[in-house]
Amino acid sequence: DVKVTQSSRYLVKRTGEKVFLECVQDMDHENMFWYRQDPGLGLRLIYFSYDVKMKEKGDIPEGYSVSREKKERFSLILESASTNQTSMYLCASSSDRGPETQYFGPGTRLLVL
Amino acid sequence: SQKIEQNSEALNIQEGKTATLTCNYTNYSPAYLQWYRQDPGRGPVFLLLIRENEKEKRKERLKVTFDTTLKQSLFHITASQPADSATYLCALEGDYGNNRLAFGKGNQVVVIP
Repeated sequence: DVKVTQSSRYLVKRTGEKVFLECVQDMDHENMFWYRQDPGLGLRLIYFSYDVKMKEKGDIPEGYSVSREKKERFSLILESASTNQTSMYLCASSSDRGPETQYFGPGTRLLVL
Repeated sequence: SQKIEQNSEALNIQEGKTATLTCNYTNYSPAYLQWYRQDPGRGPVFLLLIRENEKEKRKERLKVTFDTTLKQSLFHITASQPADSATYLCALEGDYGNNRLAFGKGNQVVVIP
């Protein structure tokens, strides 16, 4: 079974702090994704990566950056956290081999005070 | 870009009945469509994939249809149980030209014992 893990289930940070969210997948998937999910807005793609050191902006990249130094790990960085970044953050991965079914991690609920 | 519509109102249904959800899309002709289940505070979990040349797909008590003329997919849960209560999201390959999926906002199902 594909397993996608995220470093924290709950996180509380202060405005202005730098925040790191880590995601690891164990299925040798090429593609990895970071979403945020807010009530009424659905899943919104922040960034994705289709290979090591490669990244592409999603629909809402402002205020975020990402890093993919190893195939299994994809990090989301909030350079200077703001209260409007309080949200549920979801990481996902998918394979290039076949349809792009995505496998999601459990999510990190981030509260920025 | 493609637009995906799912009913924003929760579907309340009596245990044992069939729940039917609708996913409509516009501005694209996807090669396949997927359905995911999401429980509160958790990441979405892949359920079923149906290809454009398939009219119907089944998995246990789940059935999905795909009408490329109507640009619509129907998702059925037969003999519904309280444990089926969740939000169900449809997703399709986007017209992005890469490995992204476009997700609907989801439709909540509440099965009443």
